[in-house]
Amino acid sequence: GENVEQHPSTLSVQEGDSAVIKCTYSDSASNYFPWYKQELGKGPQLIIDIRSNVGEKKDQRIAVTLNKTAKHFSLHITETQPEDSAVYFCAAPSGGGGNKLTFGTGTQLKVEL
Amino acid sequence: GAVVSQHPSWVICKSGTSVKIECRSLDFQATTMFWYRQFPKQSLMLMATSNEGSKATYEQGVEKDKFLINHASLTLSTLTVTSAHPEDSSFYICSAKSAGAKEFFGPGTRLTVL
Repeated sequence: GENVEQHPSTLSVQEGDSAVIKCTYSDSASNYFPWYKQELGKGPQLIIDIRSNVGEKKDQRIAVTLNKTAKHFSLHITETQPEDSAVYFCAAPSGGGGNKLTFGTGTQLKVEL
Repeated sequence: GAVVSQHPSWVICKSGTSVKIECRSLDFQATTMFWYRQFPKQSLMLMATSNEGSKATYEQGVEKDKFLINHASLTLSTLTVTSAHPEDSSFYICSAKSAGAKEFFGPGTRLTVL
């Protein structure tokens, strides 16, 4: 099955700076990589995703890059704001032809004023 | 679009009782729903996959007689925690997706067993 590793586990940045979270995956057949944001006491919210036929996708201040050769993908948040503070999870298909996702261990992002 | 609701948002029950949690897809038909459990400061742990009209598929180590899942329609799945004990206290989150589409999560249910 798929193995997803996520780094760092915690990340503290100053407001306005950029934040980068990285994930690696093990199954070269994986073709879909979503990122979720989870605020305290709430369910995860899909913020961006990328399919393996593209190398980068951007949505305003958020972007995701994918390196299929190296089997890693990254979340980039520019011009960070306090409301970006949350836990971010990457995910990849669990494999075996099913619908399941395997999640990374999460990154606690703190944007400081 | 793609809104998933859960009810209740929190519940407190006595040890030995059963608790039912509902998960609804409000604006789309979900062919598949998932149930997760999350402990504080940890990642999401998949408990089971539920397809409409068929039996749920449980992940290894999850007791199917303990966590009863019913997916009776394309917009509703329920998780019943039977004979709850304090160690069942957790944050339970459902998600839903239609075929080939993205997975969307509900807001979660905080279960506390006294």
